[in-house]
Amino acid sequence: AQSVTQPDIHITVSEGASLELRCNYSYGATPYLFWYVQSPGQGLQLLLKYFSGDTLVQGIKGFEAEFKRSQSSFNLRKPSVHWSDAAEYFCAVAHAGNNRKLIWGLGTSLAVNP
Amino acid sequence: DAGITQSPRYKITETGRQVTLMCHQTWSHSYMFWYRQDLGHGLRLIYYSAAADITDKGEVPDGYVVSRSKTENFPLTLESATRSQTSVYFCASSVGLAGRLGADTQYFGPGTRLTVL
Repeated sequence: AQSVTQPDIHITVSEGASLELRCNYSYGATPYLFWYVQSPGQGLQLLLKYFSGDTLVQGIKGFEAEFKRSQSSFNLRKPSVHWSDAAEYFCAVAHAGNNRKLIWGLGTSLAVNP
Repeated sequence: DAGITQSPRYKITETGRQVTLMCHQTWSHSYMFWYRQDLGHGLRLIYYSAAADITDKGEVPDGYVVSRSKTENFPLTLESATRSQTSVYFCASSVGLAGRLGADTQYFGPGTRLTVL
């Protein structure tokens, strides 16, 4: 069965430091991959998505992610974190049988120290 | 442009009562989804709908009922609420165009925090 793993439940970084959030998926074919962000008390918002083509994807708020087929990974990065980036981050992959549905990771909670 | 709205935002009810959570989207998206979010479980799909009058179960449908008589509305009903249904509920929608390559972005509502006493 398809699955998405976010190995880090919680990460703390200092403001201005670089960030990498890990995401691994299990799926045989080329997946459709997403990163969403959830600010406290809010719904989820799409940061970026990968369907095909360039494996480095640019998103909103200065985030990017790189699809690595050999590692079954889609890690999210940001070169310099801002205090407003503190949030919950979710990785997701489209369901193989119905790509309108998403399979979600459990999320990574990001805290930013001033 | 309201987008996708949920009501109520907060609800407290008692075990055994029926509760309906409302979801409304203004984009005429074909697909709509209901999720619950719980600590340690992430987002779990309860039900989804591909179009008006077409609904299907997700991974945790037991104890929930949905309907979709109009494209823009997708209410979720807890027929007899239980404490285990205490959660934050999110509604989402996506375009869902036939033949569309890739997969759709899902747009989320602000959530309803439900407490069952």
